[in-house]
Amino acid sequence: AQRVTQPEKLLSVFKGAPVELKCNYSYSGSPELFWYVQYSRQRLQLLLRHISRESIKGFTADLNKGETSFHLKKPFAQEEDSAMYYCALGDSNYQLIWGAGTKLIIKP
Amino acid sequence: NAGVTQTPKFRILKIGQSMTLQCAQDMNHNYMYWYRQDPGMGLKLIYYSVGAGITDKGEVPNGYNVSRSTTEDFPLRLELAAPSQTSVYFCASRLGPGGSPLHFGNGTRLTVT
Repeated sequence: AQRVTQPEKLLSVFKGAPVELKCNYSYSGSPELFWYVQYSRQRLQLLLRHISRESIKGFTADLNKGETSFHLKKPFAQEEDSAMYYCALGDSNYQLIWGAGTKLIIKP
Repeated sequence: NAGVTQTPKFRILKIGQSMTLQCAQDMNHNYMYWYRQDPGMGLKLIYYSVGAGITDKGEVPNGYNVSRSTTEDFPLRLELAAPSQTSVYFCASRLGPGGSPLHFGNGTRLTVT
């Protein structure tokens, strides 16, 4: 079955510390993976997609097909990174499969 | 280019009332979606559409209806509102399947009392 798992509901780190938000997926084909971010009381917005292989706001994510993971990383967390982060998988059909989300809190 | 526009932003309904949440996009996207987001939870798909005249149920369609008469508009209808429908509703669109990202509206915060 297709599934996206974000094992941490809440992640709290100090400013300046490295951040890693975990995302694991289960999918039989070639997945298209995304990270979306939702700042407090704002709309969800695309942060990264694996096909772009880019760094946005200092975040990167690498698709590891062997481990079926797409973890989101940032070497030095900033207070403005506090938000909800969702991992999503786009398959060949119409829907995106969403993880439950991880709330990231950056402590000063 | 406004992207995805949702109205209203906030609404309070009494139990049993009905309302329509409006969603419009100006990006000529074929695919449109309605999600609800309950406090502390992830997104749940209510309905989606892959083009004008084509709609299908998502994970939690009960109590809702949709229509897609044009490419631009995808309204969500709540009939006989219930407290369980208290949530934030997001409309989203994208160009196509697979690697095409979703573009979200600002959301509608609905309270049913």
